[in-house]
Amino acid sequence: DIQMTQSPSSLSASVGDTISITCRASQSIYKFVSWFQQKPGRAPKLLINGSSTLHSGVPPRFSGADSGTLFTLTIRGLQPEDFATYYCLQTYAVPRTFGQGTRVEVK
Amino acid sequence: EEQLVESGGGLVKPGGSLRVACKGSGFNFSDAWMGWIRQAPGKGLEWVGRIRSKGDGETVDYAAPVKGRFSISRDDSLKTVFLQMNGLRTEDTGVYYCTRRSYSDLWGQGTLVTVSS
Repeated sequence: DIQMTQSPSSLSASVGDTISITCRASQSIYKFVSWFQQKPGRAPKLLINGSSTLHSGVPPRFSGADSGTLFTLTIRGLQPEDFATYYCLQTYAVPRTFGQGTRVEVK
Repeated sequence: EEQLVESGGGLVKPGGSLRVACKGSGFNFSDAWMGWIRQAPGKGLEWVGRIRSKGDGETVDYAAPVKGRFSISRDDSLKTVFLQMNGLRTEDTGVYYCTRRSYSDLWGQGTLVTVSS
């Protein structure tokens, strides 16, 4: 199975900050990575697929990038509604595998 | 509006069975690959399995922890995908979400399955 190692597990930030979350795949998965945002008690929402393609309706302060097996989600100008947990997902092979999640908290 | 709505969750004893369903609306359900993802209380997301469209063979893939116990099927006339869960274990407790497409662009609200004696 492909492992997705996500870091950090949590981070503290302030409104207006720029933050980055990474996922490293255990093997080449090309650009087959999606990123999700989940708020407590709610279903996750797709932010980005294909490593860097912004899903419809997602604000442009969210962006995705890749370099080899390292995938990065960046949020520029953090907004109050962005405090949540974020997950990466590899969609290259089955079984699909998620990263462990990153909780973004208010500093 | 595109929507997925799960139903059928509940409390079941270890070793028991449960079937949950997910009804889609607002999109061409028969062309969509559908999947199930679960989340144990306070934990991360775990992929359960997916079913291809009929046009793509309607084949199914499962995660190792559920293979042989869970079964995914679909009824395109009802725009519904099912997750049949047999031999349930306490570690199967969690919220079960259905999703659309291999990259999960649309999620249902989830249905809670609790396995406890």
